Amino acid sequence: DSGVTQTPKHLITATGQRVTLRCSPRSGDLSVYWYQQSLDQGLQFLIQYYNGEERAKGNILERFSAQQFPDLHSELNLSSLELGDSALYFCASSVSPTGTDTQYFGPGTRLTVL
Amino acid sequence: EDQVTQSPEALRLQEGESSSLNCSYTVSGLRGLFWYRQDPGKGPEFLFTLYSAGEEKEKERLKATLTKKESFLHITAPKPEDSATYLCAVRYQAGTALIFGKGTTLSVSS
Repeated sequence: DSGVTQTPKHLITATGQRVTLRCSPRSGDLSVYWYQQSLDQGLQFLIQYYNGEERAKGNILERFSAQQFPDLHSELNLSSLELGDSALYFCASSVSPTGTDTQYFGPGTRLTVL
Repeated sequence: EDQVTQSPEALRLQEGESSSLNCSYTVSGLRGLFWYRQDPGKGPEFLFTLYSAGEEKEKERLKATLTKKESFLHITAPKPEDSATYLCAVRYQAGTALIFGKGTTLSVSS
């Protein structure tokens, strides 16, 4: 158990809908990272927040957004969902804002878009 | 373009048959190479971090090594419970995120 929690574990929804994925980092970690894992692309970095502020952006679509709250939990919002958004979404956390330390991953949310 | 390549894509071993997994990278200014283990449908589990060429880390049957252009994950006398996908990731100077390879899926049969 990494200490990172994610909810829900599974999510099934329809195209065009909007969903919210939630992540709680390990105790003491201030950085939260979101990754998407699909069969053909592997693990792809989406976005990083550090202590409530956006720190780095990767290949995140404009339909996707995230935020980190004062209690340090983070939410990833996915809207206007398409079939291709079906994937595993992972959250990771670390102490440092610079990414020089180890990132610990949560168990993931499996999103299925029908 | 920065890239991480893992080989082989899949590896089948008999219990006790030692082997190595390869991770080659072409990033500018490496700031850490990470090995993770991932079981089906689960999150990546951290194994090792290597920062400089010549560095080695060991844990049970696993040993990770690093050169200037690649890393190896050596598996000695594997057991069926070592079956998993092993992911390599690098962090480069300009970024904070990890760049992952596509992984090596290891199957160990008894």
